[in-house]
Amino acid sequence: DVKVTQSSRYLVKRTGEKVFLECVQDMDHENMFWYRQDPGLGLRLIYFSYDVKMKEKGDIPEGYSVSREKKERFSLILESASTNQTSMYLCASSLQWDTQYFGPGTRLTVL
Amino acid sequence: AQKVTQAQTEISVVEKEDVTLDCVYETRDTTYYLFWYKQPPSGELVFLIRRNSFDEQNEISGRYSWNFQKSTSSFNFTITASQVVDSAVYFCALTSGSGNTGKLIFGQGTTLQVKP
Repeated sequence: DVKVTQSSRYLVKRTGEKVFLECVQDMDHENMFWYRQDPGLGLRLIYFSYDVKMKEKGDIPEGYSVSREKKERFSLILESASTNQTSMYLCASSLQWDTQYFGPGTRLTVL
Repeated sequence: AQKVTQAQTEISVVEKEDVTLDCVYETRDTTYYLFWYKQPPSGELVFLIRRNSFDEQNEISGRYSWNFQKSTSSFNFTITASQVVDSAVYFCALTSGSGNTGKLIFGQGTTLQVKP
């Protein structure tokens, strides 16, 4: 059974804080992805990684960074959280360009 | 450019009605994959189906069926005898094979409400 987990379902942070969102997959997938989902804007790709220590910018990377030190773990970092980063964050993983499997999502609120 | 259009923003039906969710895509690649995902209120995107561009056979899985037509660049999803548990947001998505790493292009989603 495919399994993608995210460290928190709900998170509340203050403006200026450094925020870490963790994603772990147990399927030995090469690719991992971070999306954010906002009403009216759909799903937008922030960053993705196709191998350990490799990363590529997605459509909206500004204000975010990522880390992939191990194949199974992909972290999204908000260096200095801002209120416009309040959103639903979804992590996914896949084998090359096969089906992406998603985690349960993290609802982040930045006050 | 690649694009996925789900023209129906919201659909409301009464339980047991059939409902079709439309998806139209654009790509210049000859090799591509199309997907449907379901997002229930809990928020997780649940994978429903994947089709590749060389396989135009329609697929049926229980009450769900999918109609893929390359001639009209459409990949429509029909739920037969809808149930309240089908209420969710449904996303159609595309990924193409131009040496890409599996990036998905999502449509805007269709919110389906099934009323008892």
